[in-house]
Amino acid sequence: QQQVKQSPQSLIVQKGGISIINCAYENTAFDYFPWYQQFPGKGPALLIAIRPDVSEKKEGRFTISFNKSAKQFSLHIMDSQPGDSATYFCAASRGGGATNKLIFGTGTLLAVQP
Amino acid sequence: GAGVSQSPSNKVTEKGKDVELRCDPISGHTALYWYRQSLGQGLEFLIYFQGNSAPDKSGLPSDRFSAERTGGSVSTLTIQRTQQEDSAVYLCASSLVGALAGGQDTQYFGPGTRLTVL
Repeated sequence: QQQVKQSPQSLIVQKGGISIINCAYENTAFDYFPWYQQFPGKGPALLIAIRPDVSEKKEGRFTISFNKSAKQFSLHIMDSQPGDSATYFCAASRGGGATNKLIFGTGTLLAVQP
Repeated sequence: GAGVSQSPSNKVTEKGKDVELRCDPISGHTALYWYRQSLGQGLEFLIYFQGNSAPDKSGLPSDRFSAERTGGSVSTLTIQRTQQEDSAVYLCASSLVGALAGGQDTQYFGPGTRLTVL
């Protein structure tokens, strides 16, 4: 069974702090690793994504760190803000196949306290 | 432009009834996906449509679940003889070219349909 394991399940961070969410995968054929942000009552929205040929990608306050040998990747949110409070999902997919399905982690509920 | 839309936003049904959930993808997107999000769980892939190709139905949990996509646009997910374990949020997503992009084009999600089976 292809799996993506995500931790922690929930996270409380003070405003201005760093939020870190970790994911691990098993299938070495995965070659696309997006992070999605979901607010209550809304569908997930792509936040940032990385491919395994780079070890880090940064977009504004959001950074993905990727460790191919360990089969792990993480999301760092710098200077966390109350507006970042949401559920975050990591995911993975395998290019070159007949489908483009995403395998999701179980999500991390982030609460940023003012 | 308009994003992915889904209807209804909420659906309450009785056990044993059939339900239909609708998805309108972003115009021009050739790939369409259905996922299911159960309470406290991640998103679970159900089915994938790409253009006129045969759909990937590998994620459908039972033969009570079926989906179609008419004219390469609107999709309907049908659940027959609903069970309480079918209660979940059903999410639809679309992407521009899907697997033709080597698995790396962005999937845009709709707001979902919350299904409650009593």
